[in-house]
Amino acid sequence: GAGVSQTPSNKVTEKGKYVELRCDPISGHTALYWYRQSLGQGPEFLIYFQGTGAADDSGLPNDRFFAVRPEGSVSTLKIQRTERGDSAVYLCASSLNAGAGGYNEQFFGPGTRLTVL
Amino acid sequence: AQSVAQPEDQVNVAEGNPLTVKCTYSVSGNPYLFWYVQYPNRGLQFLLKYITGDNLVKGSYGFEAEFNKSQTSFHLKKPSALVSDSALYFCAVRDRTGANNLFFGTGTRLTVIP
Repeated sequence: GAGVSQTPSNKVTEKGKYVELRCDPISGHTALYWYRQSLGQGPEFLIYFQGTGAADDSGLPNDRFFAVRPEGSVSTLKIQRTERGDSAVYLCASSLNAGAGGYNEQFFGPGTRLTVL
Repeated sequence: AQSVAQPEDQVNVAEGNPLTVKCTYSVSGNPYLFWYVQYPNRGLQFLLKYITGDNLVKGSYGFEAEFNKSQTSFHLKKPSALVSDSALYFCAVRDRTGANNLFFGTGTRLTVIP
């Protein structure tokens, strides 16, 4: 079946611009996660959705970052006033209901490589 | 606080030899542990997980990992390495009672030499 998809695969923008990154999770997966992976590092958690609501946004670095999932499926990560330090690969993952156990493995998309010039 | 350490940035092994990629973790409670593999220009792929029960877990592509609670380790192993196993490997942990997100190590690049 179809996996997690992310668009665009690459995004180049200028400092100060606004960007949107899209994630389409696996059908039926209620949990959705955004991570950011910098060069030479492992993915770092940004935000987690259970259904439509952000259950945990503790990983968002500042208020320039925001994410939505209005219908409980597709999610958009929004970055305002981009800075060069925002350059990274943004990964989306989805899983079956994380629930109280939360041990269902997360399935990752291919990522969006964001470059801020 | 949760953390993962992958002490080796790079592991080289000859094709056909056994391989081990090391991982140690720190959580406040009992852990869920995961291994993922990342190929160039592709997303992270799930290999295996430890939830409970048998300390030796088997996963995709012939990989296995052993949970050792006393040493807080979860090393990834394979009896006979293939050139196609060359990739970047990430260990990840989450606390059973904590947040749902995963904490990842910095990754280990495995190179299998023909």
